[in-house]
Amino acid sequence: GDSVTQMEGPVTLSEEAFLTINCTYTATGYPSLFWYVQYPGEGLQLLLKATKADDKGSNKGFEATYRKETTSFHLEKGSVQVSDSAVYFCALSDSNYQLIWGAGTKLIIKP
Amino acid sequence: EADIYQTPRYLVIGTGKKITLECSQTMGHDKMYWYQQDPGMELHLIHYSYGVNSTEKGDLSSESTVSRIRTEHFPLTLESARPSHTSQYLCASRTGKTEAFFGQGTRLTVV
Repeated sequence: GDSVTQMEGPVTLSEEAFLTINCTYTATGYPSLFWYVQYPGEGLQLLLKATKADDKGSNKGFEATYRKETTSFHLEKGSVQVSDSAVYFCALSDSNYQLIWGAGTKLIIKP
Repeated sequence: EADIYQTPRYLVIGTGKKITLECSQTMGHDKMYWYQQDPGMELHLIHYSYGVNSTEKGDLSSESTVSRIRTEHFPLTLESARPSHTSQYLCASRTGKTEAFFGQGTRLTVV
């Protein structure tokens, strides 16, 4: 079946560092891909999305490119802030309308 | 701004009690989901619905039931709460293969 694998956490960085959180997927067909963010005590919020190969999703300085050849959707940000500390989830929407989730990556940014 | 609401936000209840967690959305979405999540950890799908009078069990057997009598309403009921049910419960909705919108979650503690 379809699956999403993302980088294990926690990932700990200093403020203004470059961030990459890896996400790879296995899917039949042409899934849509998503990154969500969850702050403590909250539900998940959509961070960005891409619906077809080579699309780049971007929001709040975060970017991810849908790479069909490497089945990847890595999340990047050029300069992280303490306020970016959260748990990040990669997900795909499969052909059966299910959402397949990665296990989540906790990001800790130190001042 | 997502228009999906969960009540209550926090609930402490005794073992053996029956409880219903409420979830409502005003976006007219056909698909709705319930997830169980320990804070910051993986999402586990409990139940989902693709429309009125349609409900399915997810991967996690949580001894709960759901109903979908109206498009906007998808309540989750635990017939007899146990300490193992202590967790956060997240409701989400979407349409087609688009992104899901999440409620703020209900943090349940069974004592």
